[in-house]
Amino acid sequence: DAKTTQPPSMDCAEGRAANLPCNHSTISGNEYVYWYRQIHSQGPQYIIHGLKNNETNEMASLIITEDRKSSTLILPHATLRDTAVYYCIVRVEKGRDDKIIFGKGTRLHILP
Amino acid sequence: DTAVSQTPKYLVTQMGNDKSIKCEQNLGHDTMYWYKQDSKKFLKIMFSYNNKELIINETVPNRFSPKSPDKAHLNLHINSLELGDSAVYFCASSSGQGSSVETQYFGPGTRLLVL
Repeated sequence: DAKTTQPPSMDCAEGRAANLPCNHSTISGNEYVYWYRQIHSQGPQYIIHGLKNNETNEMASLIITEDRKSSTLILPHATLRDTAVYYCIVRVEKGRDDKIIFGKGTRLHILP
Repeated sequence: DTAVSQTPKYLVTQMGNDKSIKCEQNLGHDTMYWYKQDSKKFLKIMFSYNNKELIINETVPNRFSPKSPDKAHLNLHINSLELGDSAVYFCASSSGQGSSVETQYFGPGTRLLVL
C-alpha cells in the first residue's frame, strides 16, 4: 500500500503557483519523498525528490516539513500542459529490489 | 532518441490468445520494470529485472512471463489472455546501482484490449 495521502483533485489558474500537498506521517528517517506526474495517455514522468531539505529544479520546488511528515510540490507558474495526475511517493525499499508504489495521486486541473 | 520505447502502442486481441509486448531502453540502465495500469488508473508494479535477473515478482499470474534477453530489453509475454488483462502496460528503467536515489524512466505505454 502507498504510504502517502493526497487530495484527489485540485484546480489552479494558469500562471499561478500550484501547491500540491502530500501527507506521509509514517515516513522512515532514510526514506526519500519522490514526485512523479502522469499526463493523459503518457507514461509517468519524474519531477523531483528530496530527503530533508527543500529542493528546486527546472520543473518544480519541493518543500518538506521539518518533521518530514508532509511535503508540498510547487509548480511556480502553472501552464495548461501541467494538467496531469501528480503522485507523491515514499520509497519503500532500497537497492536492487527497490520498487515504487503509486497511490491514487492528485488530479491537477489548470484552468485557462 | 527515445529513452524507453515500447511496441506495440496498441494491441487488440481475442480472449485466449498469446501476445508479447516489447520494451527497450537506451539509457544504459541495469534495471527494468513492468507496470500495469488498470481501468481505475491504479499503477502497480508487476516485475523488475536487474541485469537480466528477476528481482521483483508481485504475485502476478504465471500466464505473465517476462523475458530479458539482455539488460537493454525486457519483454512481456502473456499466455491465454483474459478480459481482465485489458489495461495499459508501462515499461520503465532505472540505473539499478543500489543507490537510494533512483529515478525511474517510463515508456509511453502499451494499450492492451482483450475482447
